Amino acid sequence: GDSVTQMEGPVTLSEEAFLTINCTYTATGYPSLFWYVQYPGEGLQLLLKATKADDKGSNKGFEATYRKETTSFHLEKGSVQVSDSAVYFCALSIDTGNQFYFGTGTSLTVIP
Amino acid sequence: EPEVTQTPSHQVTQMGQEVILRCVPISNHLYFYWYRQILGQKVEFLVSFYNNEISEKSEIFDDQFSVERPDGSNFTLKIRSTKLEDSAMYFCASPVRGLVNFGSGTRLTVV
Repeated sequence: GDSVTQMEGPVTLSEEAFLTINCTYTATGYPSLFWYVQYPGEGLQLLLKATKADDKGSNKGFEATYRKETTSFHLEKGSVQVSDSAVYFCALSIDTGNQFYFGTGTSLTVIP
Repeated sequence: EPEVTQTPSHQVTQMGQEVILRCVPISNHLYFYWYRQILGQKVEFLVSFYNNEISEKSEIFDDQFSVERPDGSNFTLKIRSTKLEDSAMYFCASPVRGLVNFGSGTRLTVV
């Protein structure tokens, strides 16, 4: 079945460090891939997305590239800030309007 | 401005009581999902609802759950007789213009 496997946390980094959160997927069709972020006390917000192989999603300094050959969509940021502290969820959807499959979430804490 | 608004933001209820969680779109959404997130666990799909009918539901969505669109604009998730394990964050979501917009969630605490 369709699923997402995400790097387990928690992850603690110093400000300006490089971030990678790994995400791999299993899908029967051609999924769209997403990263959602959940800041403390808030709901899920779309961070970035990619809808086909080799697409790169980017937003707020975060990037992720849809790699079909490795079935991966790793999230990266070159220099994290304290304000990036949140839980990050990788997700896939086979078709727009259908359900999402989420990873377990990775908690990131950035310390000054 | 958020596409989807959920109320209440936090609800505490006694075990066995009924709760109703509400989702209010700004524009006229026809397609909705409900998800839940038990603390520290994965965000799980509950049900999808299209044009006033359930289109898909997970095995979590048993007989104690129901969804309605009571007045054409609000969209509700009812839990008939809450259990302790129903304590979770419940998210409403709706796709629009190719993106899925999530509400800010309702944190349900069953005591």
